[in-house]
Amino acid sequence: DTAVSQTPKYLVTQMGNDKSIKCEQNLGHDTMYWYKQDSKKFLKIMFSYNNKELIINETVPNRFSPKSPDKAHLNLHINSLELGDSAVYFCASSLSRGQETQYFGPGTRLLVL
Amino acid sequence: DAKTTQPPSMDCAEGRAANLPCNHSTISGNEYVYWYRQIHSQGPQYIIHGLKNNETNEMASLIITEDRKSSTLILPHATLRDTAVYYCIVSANDSGGGADGLTFGKGTHLIIQP
Repeated sequence: DTAVSQTPKYLVTQMGNDKSIKCEQNLGHDTMYWYKQDSKKFLKIMFSYNNKELIINETVPNRFSPKSPDKAHLNLHINSLELGDSAVYFCASSLSRGQETQYFGPGTRLLVL
Repeated sequence: DAKTTQPPSMDCAEGRAANLPCNHSTISGNEYVYWYRQIHSQGPQYIIHGLKNNETNEMASLIITEDRKSSTLILPHATLRDTAVYYCIVSANDSGGGADGLTFGKGTHLIIQP
């Protein structure tokens, strides 16, 4: 069974659209994350979410909003998509906040046209 | 910014030990050394971590110098599937401020040659 799964794997959309990426973990972890990997392959933390506490990286535009219906899910909503949002988005989870042994999903490749 | 320095790329022959160095001269006393790798088109994968002592698991060994300013990840018998970007990360492993999460640098692109 996949520990951290993401859907969709690929997402191609037009500029200005709103889209969502879903993430689920079956590890029983308390903390989940979203990372962005840009075209230069740099991986950067966007959000961490633990027990309804959201920590936002200050550089993330407010067009991005994570939503967690329960502990096992952390979805990423993106409004008014821009060309620069094209990237690979990775979800991850860890046992608790601050635990750096993290388990990553396979990634969602977003292309904004 | 990443607090580690790694060579951008390395080659290793299949079946030999791959030794990946990492400098972290500004590491704090409560910071751990973590190693992750990212195989092409996949998500990062946790390998190993340590604080002071050397560590070994089924994937690799981690050797940390006594002054903790550098470390080496050892893949004892490299295979072609070990070709990946390897990231060395230092982190306090606590719930300090900010977005938590891992700060990835550029890593080392390890290429295993047949």
